[in-house]
Amino acid sequence: NAGVTQTPKFQVLKTGQSMTLQCAQDMNHNSMYWYRQDPGMGLRLIYYSASEGTTDKGEVPNGYNVSRLNKREFSLRLESAAPSQTSVYFCASGYNQPQHFGDGTRLSIL
Amino acid sequence: TQLLEQSPQFLSIQEGENLTVYCNSSSVFSSLQWYRQEPGEGPVLLVTVVTGGEVKKLKRLTFQFGDARKDSSLHITAAQPGDTGLYLCAGDGGTSYGKLTFGQGTILTVHP
Repeated sequence: NAGVTQTPKFQVLKTGQSMTLQCAQDMNHNSMYWYRQDPGMGLRLIYYSASEGTTDKGEVPNGYNVSRLNKREFSLRLESAAPSQTSVYFCASGYNQPQHFGDGTRLSIL
Repeated sequence: TQLLEQSPQFLSIQEGENLTVYCNSSSVFSSLQWYRQEPGEGPVLLVTVVTGGEVKKLKRLTFQFGDARKDSSLHITAAQPGDTGLYLCAGDGGTSYGKLTFGQGTILTVHP
């Protein structure tokens, strides 16, 4: 029972590079979420998807885009990475709240 | 913007001691969640409280939701080293999509 799977687990980018963080859940959840976690700031919502085909901005969406590819998959894209986007990124899923989290992607932007 | 203030930020205690973590806001939440996170892993949902005044127990952990649904507390009795971790509270403002507001977290270290 995999739950929420995030790839990659670690990534180092140079400023200006782009990349996509992948997330997949196998629990048939309607809602999926992307958070970033920074020291002393808890988790902040970047984007969420209430259901397949819909996405909405969260608290800190600037510099990110998302795609809800199907019910299982929700990807997060950084088009032009900036050092301020160095963080740990968590994907979560749930029926109508984030109930299950992945183990995170640790992203460093140099 | 809803804010959740969590305190204390750090807590270092000896095995067997009791502790309480607080989560406070000026906003009303429809529900409040408590998570525990270990290094290198994602948060794990411990409990959801929904009703004002509600108390839920999970073994040695007791969770309480304030009567006005603006605050919550987590009390651990006879802490053990296995309780070490980051504890996060998160409030749901009542949207249908579960847009939670997270507190900053409490880092708990329990020494043997």
